[in-house]
Amino acid sequence: QVNLQESGPELVKPAETLSLTCSVSGGSVMPYYWSWFRQVPGQGLEWIGYIFHTGTTNFNPSLKSRLSMSIDTSKNQFSLRLVSVTPADTAVYYCARAPFCSQAVCTRFDYWGQGRLVTVSS
Amino acid sequence: QSVLTQPPSVSAAPGQRVTMSCSGSISNIGSHFVSWYQQLPGTAPKLLIFDDVKRPSRIPDRFFGSKSGTSATLDIAELQTGDEADYFCGTWDNSLSAVVFGGGTKLTVL
Repeated sequence: QVNLQESGPELVKPAETLSLTCSVSGGSVMPYYWSWFRQVPGQGLEWIGYIFHTGTTNFNPSLKSRLSMSIDTSKNQFSLRLVSVTPADTAVYYCARAPFCSQAVCTRFDYWGQGRLVTVSS
Repeated sequence: QSVLTQPPSVSAAPGQRVTMSCSGSISNIGSHFVSWYQQLPGTAPKLLIFDDVKRPSRIPDRFFGSKSGTSATLDIAELQTGDEADYFCGTWDNSLSAVVFGGGTKLTVL
């Protein structure tokens, strides 16, 4: 059973950087794509982006200018950095695994972390 | 405004069958596989259906997915009170170059 666990600050000040890490246990980060999503409580899901175990990334165009991701195969974890945050970035952030993607297009995500509520506020 | 359109809510009695829809376009559902996710209150999404019609091994066959053209459907048979949740459809959109979702359908088991 693959388990994912998000970690990182729960409170970030406006204009600062949101950083989260997803630790993977029960399986390797190779050879999969790993994704981040967010969800404003009571609303729908928003895809943030994903990273392949090689470091190749694919980002949501709406967030691309503020976004970076990294992966550490030795630690079996991957990370998200979102700069210049505003209160609109307040959401529950989820990490998830994409077990199969075709030409960097992933349509299913089978294992999810429990989520991390991040609030952007001064 | 979500790219994929889902009815906000559906309801049915225990033991009955419910159908929920997910409508898109040639740019998304018409070109790529659809997945469905169940999100119980306060929990993470759980994969129910992938590749339009397939179920992960741990998902009972009461859950059935189908697709025709630019619309997908999730059917749940023999409803149980534990099925009360939000259900989301998702796929890739060529125009947006992004994974997209519907706004979700809240299932109430009366």
